[in-house]
Amino acid sequence: AQSVSQHNHHVILSEAASLELGCNYSYGGTVNLFWYVQYPGQHLQLLLKYFSGDPLVKGIKGFEAEFIKSKFSFNLRKPSVQWSDTAEYFCAVIAPGNTGKLIFGQGTTLQVKP
Amino acid sequence: NAGVTQTPKFQVLKTGQSMTLQCAQDMNHNSMYWYRQDPGMGLRLIYYSASEGTTDKGEVPNGYNVSRLNKREFSLRLESAAPSQTSVYFCASSYGVIYEQYFGPGTRLTVT
Repeated sequence: AQSVSQHNHHVILSEAASLELGCNYSYGGTVNLFWYVQYPGQHLQLLLKYFSGDPLVKGIKGFEAEFIKSKFSFNLRKPSVQWSDTAEYFCAVIAPGNTGKLIFGQGTTLQVKP
Repeated sequence: NAGVTQTPKFQVLKTGQSMTLQCAQDMNHNSMYWYRQDPGMGLRLIYYSASEGTTDKGEVPNGYNVSRLNKREFSLRLESAAPSQTSVYFCASSYGVIYEQYFGPGTRLTVT
């Protein structure tokens, strides 16, 4: 079955630590890739997206992600996290051949300790 | 712009009751979606509407119906609520089915 996997379910970091959240997908062919963030009690917001071109994409709030086609991966990174980055992070994939359905990973809860 | 709005924000139903969740967007988007979010399961697509006048099933459509009332509005109906439908429901919209989606604030539904 086509799926999106996020390796880490719960990550705890101290402020200023570097962050990398893993995301792998199982679709072949062309895909559109997204990372969304959900702050406590809020709705999902788009962090960044990849459609084509430079595989290193930059998003809001200092986040970036790298698309590695050979590894079917789209990992999210941030060099130095802040307490305000505490949230749940979702990787999501649209496989256009899949009638455009956005498939989400299970989510990773990030807790940043001050 | 308000973006995507949803009503109500909270709802408690008894088993067997019916209700409609309302969603509206003011971004002139063509596509609209309904998801449910359950702990440890991410978001799962219930139904979507690729364009005005069309609706299609998503991953978990059983027990739900939808109506794309016009380009702005997309409602989700529970005909006979069950405890398994206790969840947070999010509406989203996008310019087209391959583009990024914008989410509403959610409706927290409890079925007792």
